[in-house]
Amino acid sequence: NAGVTQTPKFQVLKTGQSMTLQCAQDMNHEYMSWYRQDPGMGLRLIHYSVGAGITDQGEVPNGYNVSRSTTEDFPLRLLSAAPSQTSVYFCASSYSGTGLHFGNGTRLTVT
Amino acid sequence: GQQVMQIPQYQHVQEGEDFTTYCNSSTTLSNIQWYKQRPGGHPVFLIQLVKSGEVKKQKRLTFQFGEAKKNSSLHITATQTTDVGTYFCAALTGANNLFFGTGTRLTVIP
Repeated sequence: NAGVTQTPKFQVLKTGQSMTLQCAQDMNHEYMSWYRQDPGMGLRLIHYSVGAGITDQGEVPNGYNVSRSTTEDFPLRLLSAAPSQTSVYFCASSYSGTGLHFGNGTRLTVT
Repeated sequence: GQQVMQIPQYQHVQEGEDFTTYCNSSTTLSNIQWYKQRPGGHPVFLIQLVKSGEVKKQKRLTFQFGEAKKNSSLHITATQTTDVGTYFCAALTGANNLFFGTGTRLTVIP
């Protein structure tokens, strides 16, 4: 099993550009989520999904969109990148009520 | 939303010393999870506590959930350099959403 796979590992964007962070898991987990991690602020939930076709907002959803067309994939879209979105992004998945499996993260810099 | 406060923010210990990090909430938690993140790495799930007063051990790590389910602690006995990293507690809410504490960064001095 590959677990949770995130791509790319690093990305530099200019303000206003859009991009999609990819996330895929091969553990048949129904729950998937996106977190951002900033220094001194822990991990904050952006969006989550409890199954294919179902998504919902977390703590900090503004500026991001998600979709869940399959159980395996949960891409995160940045609509118009801003410097405040410079962060490390983690995708995670799990069975409901159990510990999260995290991907290796995407380090995003917006200039 | 759910908030969990975690202390201390940083801890430096000599190798062989013990280490404890604390997680506190103003509201009753349904359960709590603990994660470890090595420098430059991703969080790795350690354990989940569900029952009031629950105590679980993993080798040198001891996890406790308070009787009122409003606090939790992680204690490491006789730290080793492999224990270096940031330890996070996280409170589970509906739909399996986790709200993470700000973490305690542990440095172990050889």
